[in-house]
Amino acid sequence: DAKTTQPNSMESNEEEPVHLPCNHSTISGTDYIHWYRQLPSQGPEYVIHGLTSNVNNRMASLAIAEDRKSSTLILHRATLRDAAVYYCILRDVMFDHGGSQGNLIFGKGTKLSVKP
Amino acid sequence: GAVVSQHPSWVICKSGTSVKIECRSLDFQATTMFWYRQFPKQSLMLMATSNEGSKATYEQGVEKDKFLINHASLTLSTLTVTSAHPEDSSFYICSASPNYEQYFGPGTRLTVT
Repeated sequence: DAKTTQPNSMESNEEEPVHLPCNHSTISGTDYIHWYRQLPSQGPEYVIHGLTSNVNNRMASLAIAEDRKSSTLILHRATLRDAAVYYCILRDVMFDHGGSQGNLIFGKGTKLSVKP
Repeated sequence: GAVVSQHPSWVICKSGTSVKIECRSLDFQATTMFWYRQFPKQSLMLMATSNEGSKATYEQGVEKDKFLINHASLTLSTLTVTSAHPEDSSFYICSASPNYEQYFGPGTRLTVT
């Protein structure tokens, strides 16, 4: 899986939008862009994923650059409960379920702090 | 849907004893489960891939005789930390996948005294 680069930390005010960037300049054509987040002392939680087009779900939006070398996770209105470490992960759509290629490789992520 | 549970959520044990951690997929079957370890202020590191009915695949540097993995059914995988030492104290997290997506358990905090 290709490598991603994220800022170590970001701050946001409650009820304001948050844009979390991720660079993945070596992304391959079959890599999906995944975002997970991990709240303190909990397991990671799936947020969103996409391939080429922008994606929206109830938790967030994912904006993918036209060249796919970067993406941005958008939280439309941050709440205190959104304070977490956000991980941007690339994973090839063609993975072998029987081997470690199917696992997710976590980088350091971005620690998001939300101020009231 | 797609809920993964872990038991126990936390455990304290004495050095030299063994501890078993269970990972269950509650509403789906998973032929493959993954075990991760996370030390304080660090990211998750994959320890091993657990395959139902076969031997687990361990990542480089993870001792298979120390971290015993059993995947006896499509909904249960166990990780046993044998002869635990204080340096094994960590947050252990499992994940399972019913399809392409992975779902994570809530983690097990192990403290070895």
